[in-house]
Amino acid sequence: QKEVEQDPGPLSVPEGAIVSLNCTYSNSAFQYFMWYRQYSRKGPELLMYTYSSGNKEDGRFTAQVDKSSKYISLFIRDSQPSDSATYLCAASKGYGQNFVFGPGTRLSVLP
Amino acid sequence: GAVVSQHPSRVICKSGTSVKIECRSLDFQATTMFWYRQFPKQSLMLMATSNEGSKATYEQGVEKDKFLINHASLTLSTLTVTSAHPEDSSFYICSALVGANNEQFFGPGTRLTVL
Repeated sequence: QKEVEQDPGPLSVPEGAIVSLNCTYSNSAFQYFMWYRQYSRKGPELLMYTYSSGNKEDGRFTAQVDKSSKYISLFIRDSQPSDSATYLCAASKGYGQNFVFGPGTRLSVLP
Repeated sequence: GAVVSQHPSRVICKSGTSVKIECRSLDFQATTMFWYRQFPKQSLMLMATSNEGSKATYEQGVEKDKFLINHASLTLSTLTVTSAHPEDSSFYICSALVGANNEQFFGPGTRLTVL
């Protein structure tokens, strides 16, 4: 079992839809969770960062962490065609320790 | 967010040559940097953790003599692919840890093609 699992998609939604992206993880020691957006042939761009459980909102993006079920989510409201990219979740045990990445979910927002 | 640069962005080389990739933190000091490799339509695979002033820590299966990492200053880490072969062709991405929150910012990546 991989430490971080993610449905690779592809996921296609119409413009304006609410997108829900999810990851599960197996290691209860993970404390830091991140969501990245990666456009084709580009480096990942940090979208959201969460420490431990809870919600965090930034503009159209909301990240949720449920440590009891080892489940992390990213919600995108009012999705735009420019949101079309691969979304990667990542988890880390502690400061300075490497992040384990999920395989990424390819999202297409259709105009 | 913090800015991480990589150079070159793209390199094509002949089999058997060595290629050096630079990773720089532009507006902050990075004690810890990471090097990843990403094959098409696959996720990031951690190759090694680079700590300023000490030897890099390599992930299992990554040849340290082939992928030389040097982190000589708080703003620069280099990855040298020695005696490159076509199977080394990939997208190499570095990242740096920023601040006390353990946030990780990525460079734009370097696409290596070995002929």
